[in-house]
Amino acid sequence: GESVGLHLPTLSVQEGDNSIINCAYSNSASDYFIWYKQESGKGPQFIIDIRSNMDKRQGQRVTVLLNKTVKHLSLQIAATQPGDSAVYFCAENMGGGGADGLTFGKGTHLIIQP
Amino acid sequence: DVKVTQSSRYLVKRTGEKVFLECVQDMDHENMFWYRQDPGLGLRLIYFSYDVKMKEKGDIPEGYSVSREKKERFSLILESASTNQTSMYLCASSLIVGMGELFFGEGSRLTVL
Repeated sequence: GESVGLHLPTLSVQEGDNSIINCAYSNSASDYFIWYKQESGKGPQFIIDIRSNMDKRQGQRVTVLLNKTVKHLSLQIAATQPGDSAVYFCAENMGGGGADGLTFGKGTHLIIQP
Repeated sequence: DVKVTQSSRYLVKRTGEKVFLECVQDMDHENMFWYRQDPGLGLRLIYFSYDVKMKEKGDIPEGYSVSREKKERFSLILESASTNQTSMYLCASSLIVGMGELFFGEGSRLTVL
């Protein structure tokens, strides 16, 4: 079964506000995490990743925070824009460098209100 | 730019038909993956391959098989399609298994009647 999950299936935010999308994971051995964005009718696209030896990583308008104590991952999007409307997935590598890729969460649908 | 191309965006097949979903990547990646995506279930790994002619079962391989005769091409085969295989199928490739970015295709939406 999946150990990666999201707290909310849908998140609605006002344009210009900051968005925070949360993700919980259950495997303490997971050592690598990725956030993907999937727009309607398209495949998932990489946003940002973080390794377990870090607790924060920043990209362009996005920040990923990792709290290993409570096994929680979050994606913060600054100044949300209409183009940010999408489903966001977190994914974890279950550790051990196994050949089975990543395990994905079920996704959060981010809706931008004008 | 990395490109993962799935040959069919939309397919409609009948129960019992044999279905081929083709995927080609142009980045010389060793690793290729097939996922299916269903509402409320997220992405689930069907099969993956880390080398030509190599394949490994993912989480939900039942009812599927794969073929990797060339490095750039990874095919998903439904020997006898069933209605519960109606889904979005996503192909992906990566340079490093378990680390680094997965590059996804646009998806193939299969409907089995």
